[in-house]
Amino acid sequence: ETGVTQTPRHLVMGMTNKKSLKCEQHLGHNAMYWYKQSAKKPLELMFVYSLEERVENNSVPSRFSPECPNSSHLFLHLHTLQPEDSALYLCASSQEPANEQFFGPGTRLTVL
Amino acid sequence: RKEVEQDPGPFNVPEGATVAFNCTYSNSASQSFFWYRQDCRKEPKLLMSVYSSGNEDGRFTAQLNRASQYISLLIRDSKLSDSATYLCVTGGYQKVTFGIGTKLQVIP
Repeated sequence: ETGVTQTPRHLVMGMTNKKSLKCEQHLGHNAMYWYKQSAKKPLELMFVYSLEERVENNSVPSRFSPECPNSSHLFLHLHTLQPEDSALYLCASSQEPANEQFFGPGTRLTVL
Repeated sequence: RKEVEQDPGPFNVPEGATVAFNCTYSNSASQSFFWYRQDCRKEPKLLMSVYSSGNEDGRFTAQLNRASQYISLLIRDSKLSDSATYLCVTGGYQKVTFGIGTKLQVIP
């Protein structure tokens, strides 16, 4: 249950704030992911890192900036977000891209 | 066409019933296939991988038809605790793709 952790679990921020989401995996995996999940929409893949190199960026706005300092940690830096960015942000890891993924509990973000 | 298509449901079934979900995928190069379960306001959790020969885990059976590009999940003897959204997932080169999920509600 604690294989992938995320902090904070809940975040409320104004449109002018800067905040960061943190993800840590304790599974020895080589790949990490950021997803966005909005109501009544499928999971949207935002970023993929494999061995700390970014391998996928699905046309995500530049107000979202990922950082992967090592294979166990992943950050998502947020600045000047919009209300429509309010969603559940999920981090996941896997041994390799395309393998089964293990998710963290998510950060529920509200942008006012 | 969506890469992974699922009927969003909801499927309302009585306890003890057998229910089946199908999922179709468009990328013929997909190499790995999974079913995930997601409870309300929680993260998705791997239910089972899907192998070409089909596989079973207790009350759950998953099958893959590469020729028709669909994946199925069969749940026998439904329990109230099976109520959740079931996500179909395909994996290819450097990525995985999630379907929108099928919502199952098991009724007493």
